[in-house]
Amino acid sequence: NAGVTQTPKFQVLKTGQSMTLQCAQDMNHNSMYWYRQDPGMGLRLIYYSASEGTTDKGEVPNGYNVSRLNKREFSLRLESAAPSQTSVYFCASSLTGGQQPQHFGDGTRLSIL
Amino acid sequence: KQEVTQIPAALSVPEGENLVLNCSFTDSAIYNLQWFRQDPGKGLTSLLLIQSSQREQTSGRLNASLDKSSGRSTLYIAASQPGDSATYLCAVPDQTGANNLFFGTGTRLTVIP
Repeated sequence: NAGVTQTPKFQVLKTGQSMTLQCAQDMNHNSMYWYRQDPGMGLRLIYYSASEGTTDKGEVPNGYNVSRLNKREFSLRLESAAPSQTSVYFCASSLTGGQQPQHFGDGTRLSIL
Repeated sequence: KQEVTQIPAALSVPEGENLVLNCSFTDSAIYNLQWFRQDPGKGLTSLLLIQSSQREQTSGRLNASLDKSSGRSTLYIAASQPGDSATYLCAVPDQTGANNLFFGTGTRLTVIP
């Protein structure tokens, strides 16, 4: 009963390096989301995918790209990491595009030096 | 833009005590309000969702109320237990149509045995 699975759980990068955060859900959900959580701030939406084949920007998309690889998987890519992108990243899903995110992964803790 | 505030940021109570967590939001035209729980190093778990037409929603020892006109919600936890220790987040949906939630910064609850 995995739900939403994120990999890796922890990562340390140097400024300028690139990396892809992976997210997969096994609930046959149509919509998937990427959030970041920073101290003293609420979770903020980076990108979302209402359905397979579509992606849209959220509140804080700059510096990120996403790929909805198939219905199960939604990846987040940092092309050139910056210290301001140090954060905890959460992937979430919902059954339909009309629903709010309901199921969250355990997060990826990313530090950029 | 909707702003969601939770006060206090942290709360410690002895086991068995009843407690109230507060959430306020600036735009009262909301469809619903959701309360989440976040354990350290984990993702978010949805606890209760109150529709705008409802005033209360209950699940076990948890009771959430919603007063749209005043822009407030409370989460009441009865007979608190050490296992209730976690961060509690409230969130309201983005009314612009984007599938997004605006989150508060959370209240970190510690229940002391």
